[in-house]
Amino acid sequence: QLQLQESGPGLVKPSETLSLTCTVSGGSISSTSYYWGWIRQPPGKGLEWIGNIYYSGSTYFNPSLQSRVTLSVDTSKNQFSLKLSSVTAADTAVYYCAREDCSGGSCYPFWGQGTLVTVSS
Amino acid sequence: QSVLTQPPSVSGAPGQRVTISCTGSSSNIGAGYDVHWYQQLPGAAPKLLIYGDSNRPSGVPDRFSGSKSGTSASLAITGLQAEDEADYYCQSYDRSLSGWVFGGGTKLTVL
Repeated sequence: QLQLQESGPGLVKPSETLSLTCTVSGGSISSTSYYWGWIRQPPGKGLEWIGNIYYSGSTYFNPSLQSRVTLSVDTSKNQFSLKLSSVTAADTAVYYCAREDCSGGSCYPFWGQGTLVTVSS
Repeated sequence: QSVLTQPPSVSGAPGQRVTISCTGSSSNIGAGYDVHWYQQLPGAAPKLLIYGDSNRPSGVPDRFSGSKSGTSASLAITGLQAEDEADYYCQSYDRSLSGWVFGGGTKLTVL
């Protein structure tokens, strides 16, 4: 059964870099059918796409975050990671990792449970 | 401002039918990309309600249904129940951004 688990520090200081990892179990991160990505939700607000990465390493980012975001894939560990630099309080949010499988005619999304990251000194 | 447009709120009495719209453009919904719908209860992660425009994951009641036409999609909820009170979000893919796009969310109130 597919599981996505976000991990990383729950508290990050302003101006530092937020780093999160998504560990994939029950499925291979190397499949060409899957899109991997990150989504966030600030407290009391809506969902915001951060970026996508494919097993090949190709990346696509939300233009509003592009200058601060780095995504990477580690196929040996079946993980993908997010780094967001120069964080401020506005980056406080629940961060979700997700997979979209478009191999079966209809695309099927699957999300992790999310992890809260607070930016504060 | 969200790429997909949803009404901020909708309401209905128990047993009634409500619909939530999700309006996009020719670079996302209108381009034929799948639309997904999520339900988010307070303090919880979003739960997938509808995938691929109109498909229900196992365990989602058939009171929930999705449809798509042109640049818009809709979520319908029939036989409204108190536990349906939640925030609802639509999601699609945008070829201009090469990424996922979301609606701003709709708060459903059961009167």
